[in-house]
Amino acid sequence: NAGVTQTPKFQVLKTGQSMTLQCAQDMNHNSMYWYRQDPGMGLRLIYYSASEGTTDKGEVPNGYNVSRLNKREFSLRLESAAPSQTSVYFCASSLRLFYEQYFGPGTRLTVT
Amino acid sequence: GQQLNQSPQSMFIQEGEDVSMNCTSSSIFNTWLWYKQDPGEGPVLLIALYKAGELTSNGRLTAQFGITRKDSFLNISASIPSDVGIYFCAGPLSNTGNQFYFGTGTSLTVIP
Repeated sequence: NAGVTQTPKFQVLKTGQSMTLQCAQDMNHNSMYWYRQDPGMGLRLIYYSASEGTTDKGEVPNGYNVSRLNKREFSLRLESAAPSQTSVYFCASSLRLFYEQYFGPGTRLTVT
Repeated sequence: GQQLNQSPQSMFIQEGEDVSMNCTSSSIFNTWLWYKQDPGEGPVLLIALYKAGELTSNGRLTAQFGITRKDSFLNISASIPSDVGIYFCAGPLSNTGNQFYFGTGTSLTVIP
């Protein structure tokens, strides 16, 4: 089992460009999450999906959209990237909402 | 946003020493999760706590869910070099049920 996988691993964008971060899990988990981590800080929840077909805002949703494509996949989209969105983005999944979450390796995004 | 304050912010200890760190909040949490993050990787779940007063061990790690439900503690016994990393507490707020927060982190350095 691969667990939680994320693509790409690294990305550089110019201000105003758009991109989609992909996440997939093979643990048959119901809930999935997107976090961002800024240097020297803890993770902050952007969006989550309690189950297939539902999505909800987390602590810092502005500037992002998400899609729960199916039970396995949860994508994060930046429609118009800004330098403030330079961060490391982590996807996670859990069997039950907000219970034990398992994380992917992260996507390092730089917006210039 | 919600603050989960962790202390100490950083620790430098000799190999073989015991380590104690804690996590406090002004709000009540239903669950406390402890994670370890190595540089360039996603957080890895160490221990999950679900009941006030609960004491749970995972090898050399022991964590406790504070009886006020506003704090949690993590102890590491007989530290080894591979314990180096950043330790985060995390959990869902009790009163909202729809937000999940990470602490500010404790950075641990083990000197061989």
